[in-house]
Order: sequence, then structure tokens, then C-alpha cells
Amino acid sequence: EPEVTQTPSHQVTQMGQEVILRCVPISNHLYFYWYRQILGQKVEFLVSFYNNEISEKSEIFDDQFSVERPDGSNFTLKIRSTKLEDSAMYFCASRQRGGDTDTQYFGPGTRLTVL
Amino acid sequence: AQSVSQHNHHVILSEAASLELGCNYSYGGTVNLFWYVQYPGQHLQLLLKYFSGDPLVKGIKGFEAEFIKSKFSFNLRKPSVQWSDTAEYFCAVTSYNTDKLIFGTGTRLQVFP
Repeated sequence: EPEVTQTPSHQVTQMGQEVILRCVPISNHLYFYWYRQILGQKVEFLVSFYNNEISEKSEIFDDQFSVERPDGSNFTLKIRSTKLEDSAMYFCASRQRGGDTDTQYFGPGTRLTVL
Repeated sequence: AQSVSQHNHHVILSEAASLELGCNYSYGGTVNLFWYVQYPGQHLQLLLKYFSGDPLVKGIKGFEAEFIKSKFSFNLRKPSVQWSDTAEYFCAVTSYNTDKLIFGTGTRLQVFP
């Protein structure tokens, strides 16, 4: 069964550094998402992406964040200048258009630790 | 704003006990409802979902959930849990004008043999 994959599984970075989290959505999916979960808190929506543009973003998704689908298979989340409070588990998800239209399939997550 | 409440934060059961996890949401319009499960060290997996039709939905691994519109609830049930059901369970909702998932805080289930 096809799965969403994410790399790396764990990223440690210094405050102020840029990080790029990578996701490979399921191949015939057209809608892509990033969520995050700070330790002990809810899974929170960050951004949704369709047709090469952001379709919705939360207030968390400020100018420090950006998303890109650089090559038709990868979907990336960039944090320009990381802060301590960006430490969290980041989940990528994808959804197919048509059929099972409203089920989002999640990747295993990237644990980001900002020191 | 929409929100999802899961009142049971941590549930401890013995094998073969029955399970019911509560989920309430706060949106009055048309909603889609989901239960996701996260086994230790694994990613979020869909257990079951409700879009329309029969309010009693059956999912994988013997789980079911009932949508009660008048109570804004979508409780998850399993008649007899197994040790392998030990995991974190998340209720989530989307509504007609957005496809972002709004999650509850999750319920940690521990099942002892």
C-alpha cells in the first residue's frame, strides 16, 4: 500500500538556522498538508497546498514558514530562522482528488529539535 | 471557531474490557468526522470516518463510532480491547468550507494483558 514518507526522521538544529523538512506524498494525490504537534499538545494544522499554491494557512504559518513542491514528487516545508518554540513533530499529509476525497493520509513525521 | 474535545486523556484497561472514547465537536454545520490512531513509534493512521449516511460507522480492527448529531458527538467504541490496541487515539473534524483537520487533544489508551 502506498504511503507518505518523510525525511529526516529527526532533525536537530541551532536556533536561527534554516531547516527544510521533506515529504513525498502518495503519487496520485493532489492535495498536500503540513501539521505539527508540540510535545504534549494537539496536532495543529499549518498549511494546505493545491495546484502549486497555498490554499489555506493557519496563524502559526507566518513569514518564517514556506512550502514548495519543487519537482512534482517532493513537498517541502522550510523554516527560515528557527526558534526554540518550533521544536515539534511535523507531519505531512496528502489527499487524493475524487474517490476517497476527504481522507488525509499521514507520514511518519519529522521530529524537529531546536537548541 | 471549530474545536474538538476529547475528555478522556488517559484510559487504562485490561484485555477484553470494552472501550468507549468520547469526542465532541463544536461546529453546527455539515462536518466530516474522523478517528485516527497512532501506535507507538508509528504515524497517524485512519481508523474510521463519517461523511454521511448511516451514523454508525465501522472501521478497522473491530472499532466503530456513532455520530449523534444532536449531541455533537462521535464516540469511538470497541467491545473487547486487545493489548495491541495500546496507542494514542485522535478525533478530528473537517467542515464543508475547509479541508483542514481540527484535532482533539488525543486519548492515550493503555491495555494490560
